[in-house]
Amino acid sequence: DAKTTQPPSMDCAEGRAANLPCNHSTISGNEYVYWYRQIHSQGPQYIIHGLKNNETNEMASLIITEDRKSSTLILPHATLRDTAVYYCIVRVTGTASKLTFGTGTRLQVTL
Amino acid sequence: DAGVIQSPRHEVTEMGQEVTLRCKPISGHNSLFWYRQTMMRGLELLIYFNNNVPIDDSGMPEDRFSAKMPNASFSTLKIQPSEPRDSAVYFCASSATYDTDTQYFGPGTRLTVL
Repeated sequence: DAKTTQPPSMDCAEGRAANLPCNHSTISGNEYVYWYRQIHSQGPQYIIHGLKNNETNEMASLIITEDRKSSTLILPHATLRDTAVYYCIVRVTGTASKLTFGTGTRLQVTL
Repeated sequence: DAGVIQSPRHEVTEMGQEVTLRCKPISGHNSLFWYRQTMMRGLELLIYFNNNVPIDDSGMPEDRFSAKMPNASFSTLKIQPSEPRDSAVYFCASSATYDTDTQYFGPGTRLTVL
């Protein structure tokens, strides 16, 4: 699987948008970009995924660049409960489908 | 749906003892995954099953670890004998299929081996 690069930590004020970047410059054409998060002492939680088009759900939006070498997860109105480690994962489809978790970005939402 | 259920939530045991962790996947899901999380190594995939059959166990650290899935609604991860370095949080996850679908994680079992 292609590797991803994320900043180790970010801060965001409550109520503001949190924009979490991810670089995946070696991504292949059949690889999806997945985002999971892990709130302290809980299991990882799926957020969103996409292939090439931008995606939006009730939790977040995913913006993938046209060349697919990077993406941004957007939490439109961050709350204290969004404080977590966010993992960007590139995942091959159609084969042994491992989720390979890196070190992620620790997002701290503050008052 | 109750989500993925794991038991026990916490386990403290002494070195050399057998430890069995249990997982009930989401009903209707065909794939089940066992992960281990430590501060040093992060979150690692140990083994996964599709339709109750082990597909890839390359992440299992050594022969002391074994996993079974006797039916679609139950899986176990066993460590025998346990060692202090096995102390970690063990997560179980399930998905509808193994190759593309979202994995849903359980709350984890925190294992401490003294």
